[in-house]
Amino acid sequence: AQSVTQLDSQVPVFEEAPVELRCNYSSSVSVYLFWYVQYPNQGLQLLLKYLSGSTLVKGINGFEAEFNKSQTSFHLRKPSVHISDTAEYFCAVKTGGFKTIFGAGTRLFVKA
Amino acid sequence: ETGVTQTPRHLVMGMTNKKSLKCEQHLGHNAMYWYKQSAKKPLELMFVYSLEERVENNSVPSRFSPECPNSSHLFLHLHTLQPEDSALYLCASSQDLLALDYEQYFGPGTRLTVT
Repeated sequence: AQSVTQLDSQVPVFEEAPVELRCNYSSSVSVYLFWYVQYPNQGLQLLLKYLSGSTLVKGINGFEAEFNKSQTSFHLRKPSVHISDTAEYFCAVKTGGFKTIFGAGTRLFVKA
Repeated sequence: ETGVTQTPRHLVMGMTNKKSLKCEQHLGHNAMYWYKQSAKKPLELMFVYSLEERVENNSVPSRFSPECPNSSHLFLHLHTLQPEDSALYLCASSQDLLALDYEQYFGPGTRLTVT
């Protein structure tokens, strides 16, 4: 069965510092990987997705993620965060059928 | 309206009440979903519809009853809920049910409190 593990439930970081949110998945077949962001009092919205091709994927708001097949990871990074990046971030995987498996989320808290 | 809308945004109901949550997508998508989001837990998929047919009922208690009258609208009818049903209920849609490269578009959710 597929699963997604987000290794950190909370990540506090100072404004303008870099950040990495970690995501590992388990699957024995090819995967499609997604990162979603949820701002307070809103639904989830897509940040970026990996389908195939280049393992470095760029998304909205300056975020990027790298697919590492050997380590079954899809970590999200941003070189310099802003206060407005404070939100919950969800890693998700699809391998077939119609289900998207979501991780438990990582709350990013950006401090001034 | 654009994207996926949900009403009401907040709902407080007693355990004996009956209420309904409404979702509407303005994206021309074929698939719609209900999720339950509780604190510190992964999103729980509740129901999935494709072209108005239910394709998944993920062991959800019968006190939750979905309805999809057309491909743009999705309802979740609630009755005799329990306090542990308090959560954020998210509606989502996607272009196609089975295409792996299509992401889901989410509404803002309904914050449900059962007293």
